[in-house]
Amino acid sequence: KAGVTQTPRYLIKTRGQQVTLSCSPISGHRSVSWYQQTPGQGLQFLFEYFSETQRNKGNFPGRFSGRQFSNSRSEMNVSTLELGDSALYLCASSYTGLNTEAFFGQGTRLTVV
Amino acid sequence: AQTVTQSQPEMSVQEAETVTLSCTYDTSESDYYLFWYKQPPSRQMILVIRQEAYKQQNATENRFSVNFQKAAKSFSLKISDSQLGDAAMYFCAYRRLMNYGGSQGNLIFGKGTKLSVKP
Repeated sequence: KAGVTQTPRYLIKTRGQQVTLSCSPISGHRSVSWYQQTPGQGLQFLFEYFSETQRNKGNFPGRFSGRQFSNSRSEMNVSTLELGDSALYLCASSYTGLNTEAFFGQGTRLTVV
Repeated sequence: AQTVTQSQPEMSVQEAETVTLSCTYDTSESDYYLFWYKQPPSRQMILVIRQEAYKQQNATENRFSVNFQKAAKSFSLKISDSQLGDAAMYFCAYRRLMNYGGSQGNLIFGKGTKLSVKP
């Protein structure tokens, strides 16, 4: 069974540009969450999607957005990139229901120059 | 708001020895989950062990066990017979017990403890 797949693995962008990251969950998983990991702030929750609807959102500016498709694949978009957006972006998927664990992908390393 | 604190930025253990990583959390809720995740240099977060707050019995997974003290809001991880492959960042995480509209709720992570294993 394939794990959570995130693409691309590495990305270098220039300030002011926008970027789109992709996450394919484990087959059968319908919940997808995104996290930002930086040395200073640690792991912070961005948003969660289930059935193509955002169910939960962290404290990030509107430049950060996401969506989920009917096959549960999810994308996150960051517009008008800032140097501080440089981070590892992790995606996690899980089954619905109580007492389920989140399975993480290997992340996308975004560098903004 | 819930918070998770890991007071040990770095820890070191000799191979085959035992090490305990500390974690405290703050919440006003009575039902929740607690997790320990491992993040090796490959960056992928791997679940090590999970504890449901309503269970008094401490969770155990092979060489990994926890000491869950609900009243003290403490959740430490003990690694027995440490192996070189245990070297990684370890994150303690909290998640509310919720499931409405399919939402799993988000994980709240501590800052992590970097564990080194000496041969």
